[in-house]
Amino acid sequence: TQLLEQSPQFLSIQEGENLTVYCNSSSVFSSLQWYRQEPGEGPVLLVTVVTGGEVKKLKRLTFQFGDARKDSSLHITAAQTGDTGLYLCAGAIWNTGNQFYFGTGTSLTVIP
Amino acid sequence: DVKVTQSSRYLVKRTGEKVFLECVQDMDHENMFWYRQDPGLGLRLIYFSYDVKMKEKGDIPEGYSVSREKKERFSLILESASTNQTSMYLCASSPQDRKNQPQHFGDGTRLSIL
Repeated sequence: TQLLEQSPQFLSIQEGENLTVYCNSSSVFSSLQWYRQEPGEGPVLLVTVVTGGEVKKLKRLTFQFGDARKDSSLHITAAQTGDTGLYLCAGAIWNTGNQFYFGTGTSLTVIP
Repeated sequence: DVKVTQSSRYLVKRTGEKVFLECVQDMDHENMFWYRQDPGLGLRLIYFSYDVKMKEKGDIPEGYSVSREKKERFSLILESASTNQTSMYLCASSPQDRKNQPQHFGDGTRLSIL
């Protein structure tokens, strides 16, 4: 059983459209990270959110940490072909040091 | 920039072989991790290490072992490879001195067991 479930698993959209990816759990996390992975490469960190209700923006990407620290969302505005990739959320649980639990992943394809 | 290097991008081995996957990082990080990545399952932690000669089991350690003899090197060992260990293997490192530090990943080793 995965600790973090992401939805949707696959997403294919036209360039210019908006989209939201969800990361949900029944567990409480001390912090949550979002990574993007491109084909043939390892995941690369996009953002870390640490406070319940926190919202962070990275250009056209908006990340939100749920008030109860159990879920998170990633919203992309006006998607571009360069946004194509696998998006992974990863949550840290209190007192587990630097161990992060990764979500199931969302594979995004942006069509020109 | 942090560099995490995995020794092989692609590897093909036979059932029953002993397989070694090597990972080296150049940023003096205390923490190192081995994950396997399968479609629809995300990344699952196999083993991690907080220091030289220290190792901790992750979520799926069965069939694997690890070795950390030097701080910069973390090896994953498949004692007797089986076909269900065909997967993408990712190594990562992170510093221990501060919370919520990102994990820095290698580019992965795609392992096929025939």
